[in-house]
Amino acid sequence: GENVEQHPSTLSVQEGDSAVIKCTYSDSASNYFPWYKQELGKRPQLIIDIRSNVGEKKDQRIAVTLNKTAKHFSLHITETQPEDSAVYFCAASSSGYSTLTFGKGTMLLVSP
Amino acid sequence: EAQVTQNPRYLITVTGKKLTVTCSQNMNHEYMSWYRQDPGLGLRQIYYSMNVEVTDKGDVPEGYKVSRKEKRNFPLILESPSPNQTSLYFCASSWWGESDTQYFGPGTRLTVL
Repeated sequence: GENVEQHPSTLSVQEGDSAVIKCTYSDSASNYFPWYKQELGKRPQLIIDIRSNVGEKKDQRIAVTLNKTAKHFSLHITETQPEDSAVYFCAASSSGYSTLTFGKGTMLLVSP
Repeated sequence: EAQVTQNPRYLITVTGKKLTVTCSQNMNHEYMSWYRQDPGLGLRQIYYSMNVEVTDKGDVPEGYKVSRKEKRNFPLILESPSPNQTSLYFCASSWWGESDTQYFGPGTRLTVL
């Protein structure tokens, strides 16, 4: 099955800095890569996703890049704000397996 | 309001006492799944269902059962809970599959003594 590695496990930045979270996946057949944000005590919510036919996708301050050859994808958050503090999860899925495999998460702390 | 609901939200039980955690969605979603979340391990998929009467194992199915008799409901059954099943459980649903936005329920915190 799929294996997703996520780094770093914790990330502390100052407000206004950029934050980058990286994930690698093992199954070359994986074709969908979402990112979920989970605030403390809340449920995970999708913030952005990318499919294997696209190399980059942006939505305001967040962007995701995908390198299929290297089998890794990254989340970029610019101009971070305290409300960006949360745990972020990457995931990968392959239509051949109908499952969604998550990374172990990154706790992002944005200090004012 | 479009939503995924889970009940109960909190449950403390003892080893071996059968329990069911219910999950219901009102969005007519085809795909439903169950995850457990443990510190340092992220979200791990237990079971999923592509449609009514169609279920399959995820990454950590041991000790769990599911059923999908109706499109809107996907209960998680622990026939003989053990302490290693103490966890935070999330139900999720999506329109057509794993490669689609997953809408998560509020979570059920289960403690097995």
